[in-house]
Amino acid sequence: DVKVTQSSRYLVKRTGEKVFLECVQDMDHENMFWYRQDPGLGLRLIYFSYDVKMKEKGDIPEGYSVSREKKERFSLILESASTNQTSMYLCASSEDRTKQYFGPGTRLTVT
Amino acid sequence: GESVGLHLPTLSVQEGDNSIINCAYSNSASDYFIWYKQESGKGPQFIIDIRSNMDKRQGQRVTVLLNKTVKHLSLQIAATQPGDSAVYFCAEMNNAGNMLTFGGGTRLMVKP
Repeated sequence: DVKVTQSSRYLVKRTGEKVFLECVQDMDHENMFWYRQDPGLGLRLIYFSYDVKMKEKGDIPEGYSVSREKKERFSLILESASTNQTSMYLCASSEDRTKQYFGPGTRLTVT
Repeated sequence: GESVGLHLPTLSVQEGDNSIINCAYSNSASDYFIWYKQESGKGPQFIIDIRSNMDKRQGQRVTVLLNKTVKHLSLQIAATQPGDSAVYFCAEMNNAGNMLTFGGGTRLMVKP
């Protein structure tokens, strides 16, 4: 079974803090994704990566950056957290960009 | 832009009945669609997918139907069980084939 793990299930940060969300997958997938999930808005793609050191913007990249230094790890960075970034963050990986496997999510609260 | 939507935000069914969750999409060029199930506190879990060269695909107790004429996708769950209670999302692949666009989700509630 594909396993996608995220570093934290719950996180509370203060406005202006730098936040790192880590995601690791164990299936040697080329593609990895970061989404945020908000009530009534579904899942929205922030960034994705199709190879090490490669990244592409999704629908809502503003206020975020990503890092893919190793194939199995994809990090989402909030340079200066703001309250409107309070959300559920979901990481996913896929072999061919179609069927994506999701992690359990990180619920981030920015106060 | 592309959009994927759902007709009913909440669906309540009796245990043992069949469930039908609907999804409308706007991009007639989409060639790949997928359904996910998300239980409370968990990440979305793959259920079934379908390519545009098919009208129907069956899995274990689930069937996905694709009507390209009216750009409509549905997920049918046979003999719905309490464990099927969750939020169900449909998604479509964009024209470039590198991003999935998700709908807002439908909550399925199964009454015992």
